[in-house]
Amino acid sequence: DGGITQSPKYLFRKEGQNVTLSCEQNLNHDAMYWYRQDPGQGLRLIYYSQIVNDFQKGDIAEGYSVSREKKESFPLTVTSAQKNPTAFYLCASRPTSGREYEQYFGPGTRLTVT
Amino acid sequence: EDKVVQSPLSLVVHEGDTVTLNCSYEVTNFRSLLWYKQEKKAPTFLFMLTSSGIEKKSGRLSSILDKKELFSILNITATQTGDSAVYLCAVNNNAGNMLTFGGGTRLMVKP
Repeated sequence: DGGITQSPKYLFRKEGQNVTLSCEQNLNHDAMYWYRQDPGQGLRLIYYSQIVNDFQKGDIAEGYSVSREKKESFPLTVTSAQKNPTAFYLCASRPTSGREYEQYFGPGTRLTVT
Repeated sequence: EDKVVQSPLSLVVHEGDTVTLNCSYEVTNFRSLLWYKQEKKAPTFLFMLTSSGIEKKSGRLSSILDKKELFSILNITATQTGDSAVYLCAVNNNAGNMLTFGGGTRLMVKP
């Protein structure tokens, strides 16, 4: 089945630890995105990548890092520098042709840092 | 900076009611506006609007865009409990490949 997978579904970490969230897609999409969602809020863009080995900061990139070594994978690392990391993290991808502005979302990872 | 504001923040209705959700935006070089429905996890795509005055319809849901007044509405008629969700509005501009999301409207439909 084609789609976007995120793992794990729930993640618990102690403050001060870095943690990496996985995002994989087999849709052959060029562009991939990471969003953060806080309770009762919309989505805020953390990072995005339009092509392998290239990525751009979104609105709230501080305390986060990404890599895009393969087209199908776009992992997000939440570093200890992120002051309030507890949130719901959504990964998305989209093709760069056709219905290009329709983003397809993964199921999300809920991160809790204590 | 692009901006999207949705109203109301939340809404509680009874089954069978009709609801209208609002989305206003400020964006440089507007390209399209998208509506998503988010239940528990991943947002699912509803509509993409690019032209003013042309209604998009899917079953009991419909949406229209006004590019002069910079807003869109999402209508849901004969609401059902399965319509309970957060509805997200997002805009895209010509400059980049990003979506700017509004804060969402949380709809609860009671039996």
